[in-house]
Amino acid sequence: GAGVSQSPSNKVTEKGKDVELRCDPISGHTALYWYRQRLGQGLEFLIYFQGNSAPDKSGLPSDRFSAERTGESVSTLTIQRTQQEDSAVYLCASSLVTRGGGELFFGEGSRLTVL
Amino acid sequence: RKEVEQDPGPFNVPEGATVAFNCTYSNSASQSFFWYRQDCRKEPKLLMSVYSSGNEDGRFTAQLNRASQYISLLIRDSKLSDSATYLCVVTGGATNKLIFGTGTLLAVQP
Repeated sequence: GAGVSQSPSNKVTEKGKDVELRCDPISGHTALYWYRQRLGQGLEFLIYFQGNSAPDKSGLPSDRFSAERTGESVSTLTIQRTQQEDSAVYLCASSLVTRGGGELFFGEGSRLTVL
Repeated sequence: RKEVEQDPGPFNVPEGATVAFNCTYSNSASQSFFWYRQDCRKEPKLLMSVYSSGNEDGRFTAQLNRASQYISLLIRDSKLSDSATYLCVVTGGATNKLIFGTGTLLAVQP
């Protein structure tokens, strides 16, 4: 498909387990963002990639959260030792333009539920 | 102070009404501004960019006031299909990352 693809679409896990969320951006898009959206809340910035480097990781809530991007394409967001407050929809978005100048195209999100 | 602030609403308006949303931002160095729309349990999608001179797209008009650091969105002749959450987005930080407001919920009533 031509859009941003995220997997899994839904993930239920037990507290303390690790989870990995994947994002396939639109081909050729240099900029990639991860956001978190808790139920009824706004989008919370997590991390921004420009190519394979992450010039802004300021939104990652704790050292349990990490993200990487390879080949200027796929990105994975890893949450270690999940907690109940990690339950949210994790949204990935990509853009052709770096430094915030262009339209963001979002995936449908990965809904994480931590029991 | 939050970097981007919006009135969460909800704004309940009848069909055909004109409704306006405001958004304020804290970083005077912000360079790019947008309005996104998010339908219930869906991903956000770009509604329109906001330019210094103001811009219009059909029933939607966006304006930017740099001196007062606020952005507005005006929707004329509201339709039922306009019901959604409207997200104000501003660039910020050293990398000009995109920062979202918490959104304003609009409910257009028949």
